[in-house]
Amino acid sequence: EPEVTQTPSHQVTQMGQEVILRCVPISNHLYFYWYRQILGQKVEFLVSFYNNEISEKSEIFDDQFSVERPDGSNFTLKIRSTKLEDSAMYFCASSSGLVRDTQYFGPGTRLLVL
Amino acid sequence: AQKITQTQPGMFVQEKEAVTLDCTYDTSDPSYGLFWYKQPSSGEMIFLIYQGSYDQQNATEGRYSLNFQKARKSANLVISASQLGDSAMYFCAMRELNTGTASKLTFGTGTRLQVTL
Repeated sequence: EPEVTQTPSHQVTQMGQEVILRCVPISNHLYFYWYRQILGQKVEFLVSFYNNEISEKSEIFDDQFSVERPDGSNFTLKIRSTKLEDSAMYFCASSSGLVRDTQYFGPGTRLLVL
Repeated sequence: AQKITQTQPGMFVQEKEAVTLDCTYDTSDPSYGLFWYKQPSSGEMIFLIYQGSYDQQNATEGRYSLNFQKARKSANLVISASQLGDSAMYFCAMRELNTGTASKLTFGTGTRLQVTL
């Protein structure tokens, strides 16, 4: 069964450093998303992406964040200068865009900013 | 703005019993989808079941069923014949369908289910 994959599973970084989180969505899906979950809290939407551009972004997704689809399979989230409060689980999701659409999530990348 | 409320931070159920996890929602969009996801301790988000706002029947997927009461704006998840492996965090989520096909999911705060022997 096709699935969303994410790398790395864990990332530890120093405050101020740049991180790139990588995702491979399900191959025939057209819509891609990033969500984050701070430890013990609910899942929050960051950004959605379709046709090589951002469809929607939340207030969390400020200038420190960017997304890219560098090739036909990868979808990346870059945090330019990490802050302590960026420590969270980051989930990539993808969907087909059909009416009864389900977003399928990857296993997540746990980011720890020290 | 869309909102999801899960009022049960934690629930216990005995193995083989049924359990209901509550979810209420609020939206002004007449067209929406409701989802339940399971998050085990390993952290991944596993899709369980979907209910569309115009669906005439309650959704069922194996041991999972959704008690959809549109007038009350509730979409409770029912797990029948609970198993130890059902112990996890359960999130209710909603997507408004008239805001576009790439519309976001809004999640509730979750309910932690513990299945006991």
